[in-house]
Amino acid sequence: AQSVSQHNHHVILSEAASLELGCNYSYGGTVNLFWYVQYPGQHLQLLLKYFSGDPLVKGIKGFEAEFIKSKFSFNLRKPSVQWSDTAEYFCAVTNNAGNMLTFGGGTRLMVKP
Amino acid sequence: NAGVTQTPKFRVLKTGQSMTLLCAQDMNHEYMYWYRQDPGMGLRLIHYSVGEGTTAKGEVPDGYNVSRLKKQNFLLGLESAAPSQTSVYFCASSWRPAGLTDTQYFGPGTRLTVL
Repeated sequence: AQSVSQHNHHVILSEAASLELGCNYSYGGTVNLFWYVQYPGQHLQLLLKYFSGDPLVKGIKGFEAEFIKSKFSFNLRKPSVQWSDTAEYFCAVTNNAGNMLTFGGGTRLMVKP
Repeated sequence: NAGVTQTPKFRVLKTGQSMTLLCAQDMNHEYMYWYRQDPGMGLRLIHYSVGEGTTAKGEVPDGYNVSRLKKQNFLLGLESAAPSQTSVYFCASSWRPAGLTDTQYFGPGTRLTVL
């Protein structure tokens, strides 16, 4: 069975700091990878996704993620965070069959103004 | 166009009581999903449906039942609630399977407490 690990449970940053959230997955086959965000009081929204092609993917709001197959990782990055990025971030993975998304435990990000 | 709606938004149950959570979508999506969200564990798939009249087990199906009698509705039932089922429940829907689409729409969630 596939699994997803997000090692940073809570991250606190000041505005303009750079962000990197780790995501590692365990699955031997071809995977599709996602990052979702949940702002306070809201439901999940897709930030970005990787299906194939360029391993560096860009999403909304200045976020990007890099798929490193050899490390089974899909880390999320943003060069300069804003207070409005305060949210919980979830990495998710699925195999090619695609019926089931497996989510990581989430990383709660707090950005101080 | 309301998207994905969930009823109720909040509920408190006593151990052993039963209840049904309703998820409705007005986007004519084939695929619908029920997740539970617990602190530190992300979202875990309970059951899903790939079309009207179909259901399938997800990662944590025990203690739950589902039905998809109409394409737009996906019901999640708890026959005998337990404190371990205290959680926030999210419904989602999509045109294509969850992992093959970039547009999975989530509902606002139902916060359930079982005493």
